[in-house]
Amino acid sequence: SYDLTQPLSVSVALGQTANITCGGNKIGSKDVHWYQQKPGQAPALVIYRDTNRPSGIPERFSGSNSGNTATLTISRAQPGDEADYYCQVWDGSVIFGGGTKLSVL
Amino acid sequence: QLVESGGGLVQPGRSLRLSCTASGFAFGNHAMSWVRQTPGKKLEWVGYIRNKGYGGPIEYAASVKGRFTISRDDSKNIAYLHMNSLKTEDTAIYYCTRDSGTTGPGASDIWGQGTLVTVSS
Repeated sequence: SYDLTQPLSVSVALGQTANITCGGNKIGSKDVHWYQQKPGQAPALVIYRDTNRPSGIPERFSGSNSGNTATLTISRAQPGDEADYYCQVWDGSVIFGGGTKLSVL
Repeated sequence: QLVESGGGLVQPGRSLRLSCTASGFAFGNHAMSWVRQTPGKKLEWVGYIRNKGYGGPIEYAASVKGRFTISRDDSKNIAYLHMNSLKTEDTAIYYCTRDSGTTGPGASDIWGQGTLVTVSS
């Protein structure tokens, strides 16, 4: 089965840039989607097909995908960005990463 | 928006049916998926149903195949998740999502608020 590896936690200083990685074998050949989940809420899509932002998602959120790593980048991090972030791919089945807790210090 | 209902406490081996009522978009034009979140916060895909225009098989995760059935009633804007032979490991919050994929699962761009299913004796 296909595995996606995310760091358990990432910390970023207020106003700085956070990078959340999602590792998988040749993940660059797959479409990667990213979700944000705040406490007590359902997940919400923030990036789809590697680099695309749904309407309403700030430009501060961006994505990239190459080789064995996909990355969600959050620029000018704000307290409201504190959340769990999950990556997702399709590999004959939908696979989710284990999630990364982002803390804004 | 999407609103799930039907969750609750159920004994192992029993059945439960979840419903997902859609509003605010053309339900029949979209694929739908079910995703669950375990008590440990792990997200797990359950299954995917295409819109009628694309046809094709309903897709299921290996862990639920043969026990769970996804269906839809486009006249009522409702998607269903029928769960049989429930196990304690099926305990989770179940989310209904609108799936942007057409020929297969893609990104879930709308999520319901979730309904909790607890399987316990």
